[in-house]
Formats: sequence, C-alpha cells, structure tokens
Amino acid sequence: RKEVEQDPGPFNVPEGATVAFNCTYSNSASQSFFWYRQDCRKEPKLLMSVYSSGNEDGRFTAQLNRASQYISLLIRDSKLSDSATYLCVVNPSGGSQGNLIFGKGTKLSVKP
Amino acid sequence: DAGVTQSPTHLIKTRGQQVTLRCSPKSGHDTVSWYQQALGQGPQFIFQYYEEEERQRGNFPDRFSGHQFPNYSSELNVNALLLGDSALYLCASRQPGEDEQYFGPGTRLTVT
Repeated sequence: RKEVEQDPGPFNVPEGATVAFNCTYSNSASQSFFWYRQDCRKEPKLLMSVYSSGNEDGRFTAQLNRASQYISLLIRDSKLSDSATYLCVVNPSGGSQGNLIFGKGTKLSVKP
Repeated sequence: DAGVTQSPTHLIKTRGQQVTLRCSPKSGHDTVSWYQQALGQGPQFIFQYYEEEERQRGNFPDRFSGHQFPNYSSELNVNALLLGDSALYLCASRQPGEDEQYFGPGTRLTVT
C-alpha cells in the first residue's frame, strides 16, 4: 500500500461546481497533514494545513478523519484559476522534525 | 521578503557528470529539505538539513549528498548522473518550531 494515495483524476468540472478530493494515508501515527496546489511546471504551494477539527479558508474546506486515515479537500464555487494539481501531503513525524510524504496529486481542470 | 530561491533554473548534464544545485531559504527559516519530483509524480524526500547537519534522509543512494552553510543556505550534489536523475529538484524551508514547509521554484535537471 502506498503511503499516501489520492483519487487518480483528472477532474474536469464547470465553473461554479463543487469538487471534492479524497486522500488516504497508511501510517496511523502520522502527525501533520496538508494540501498543496501545484501549477504546471511550478513549485508546490501550501494551500492549507488540515486539522482534526476541520478547517475552512474561503471556498476551501479540509477535513481529517484519523480513525479512517482519510483526508479530504472540498472546493466550492470553482474558478478557472483553481485549475491545478492538488497534492495531499502527510508529515509522519510532525513538528519541525519530519519530512513530507506526497501523494501523486489529482489534476483539476475548471472549464468556462 | 524574498521567498525560497534556487539556482540554476535549468540545467542539462551528461550521464556520469556531477551537478551542484543551490538553495537559499526564506528569511527566518533554518531548516532546509530537498525533494525530487519526476514527471507525473509527487515530490520525493531526499534529505533534510538543520544546524549544518543532515537530520533525515529518504530512500536515495549515496550519490546524492548535501551541505548546509552557517547562513542556512544549502547545496545538493549528485554524482555519477544517471538518465533517471532527470527531474525537478525542489528545495523547501521551514521556520523553527513550525510545521509548514515552503518551496522554491525548483531546478529542472535534464540528464542526456
């Protein structure tokens, strides 16, 4: 089983749609969780950290279910500018000690 | 405030050669990590430097080595280049005690 697995995608959605990405991780002791977005041929950019209580940033909502080892990202009212690859990321150790483990990413294409 | 910077942007090398990539972390950040991202894959952790020492290492051969300088900048060296080393090499930095990592624009290495 891969350490971090994501929906394979690609997701092709119209503007204004709501889209959800899912991710599972294998290490139950993992401490920190993130979503990054990556535009074509660019570096990953931190979108949001994911907390057990769930967190929201504008149109973006992230959820963490530690019991199921499952992370999700919901994007409401999709914009053309949301088109990118979304990377689910886990830090097994947490804090400043750990490395990041990335999923392969899910590509999102928002169409007019 | 400059973000993470990397040089060079692009590099073309021949099999068997050696390469050095450079990274300057964001101001106030003291920990630097290096990642390799092959086409269509998520970034893979190479190693992390803190206080001028390699703290953690991913599953990469000894051909990959690094260094961190007193000003927190870092180098990644790859010896005896293979075709499979062609990838985007990303540097990420983090603040003391913080979890989030921020990436530089990367160096795209092509080995022919």
